[in-house]
Amino acid sequence: ELKVEQNPLFLSMQEGKNYTIYCNYSTTSDRLYWYRQDPGKSLESLFVLLSNGAVKQEGRLMASLDTKARLSTLHITAAVHDLSATYFCAVDAQGGGTASKLTFGTGTRLQVTL
Amino acid sequence: GAGVSQSPSNKVTEKGKDVELRCDPISGHTALYWYRQSLGQGLEFLIYFQGNSAPDKSGLPSDRFSAERTGGSVSTLTIQRTQQEDSAVYLCASSPPGGNQPQHFGDGTRLSIL
Repeated sequence: ELKVEQNPLFLSMQEGKNYTIYCNYSTTSDRLYWYRQDPGKSLESLFVLLSNGAVKQEGRLMASLDTKARLSTLHITAAVHDLSATYFCAVDAQGGGTASKLTFGTGTRLQVTL
Repeated sequence: GAGVSQSPSNKVTEKGKDVELRCDPISGHTALYWYRQSLGQGLEFLIYFQGNSAPDKSGLPSDRFSAERTGGSVSTLTIQRTQQEDSAVYLCASSPPGGNQPQHFGDGTRLSIL
């Protein structure tokens, strides 16, 4: 059974600081997704990582994937208050040419303080 | 363009009643997924439909849960004889053909069982 673990579960950080969220998963996969969820809202896609060594960046967020270590990271650079949300990683373990069900991590609740 | 549409947005019902939740995916998306999100269990996969293939029902928690997808488009998730532990937000997602695109999520149906 695929297990996806995120840490930390909760992160309080000051504006302007850097931090990294970690996502470990238990089985082979080369398809990993990061989503953002604001309170009371649905999930918004941030990044799609499809191969070993993949790195994607958008604004102050950068995601990477190491399939050999079964690890993805979401790095936050110079955090701003607007980044406050819950971040989920999700793994599609099926592989192949069609999408399949996602197994989600526990989520990391990020709070950026002034 | 229109996103994934779910209805109702909120549903309150008494224990033992049946409920139907509806999902209208993004036009052209061949895959449709149901997940649920609750405080105790996080985000859990329930069922997914891919084109004309048999659905993957491996995440349905009991035989009280069923889903159908008519005409390859709209889907209905039915919960019979609801129990208090069914209270959760039920999220629907869809994705286009191929395995390299993220799933797009609707706003969810918040189900409360009294």
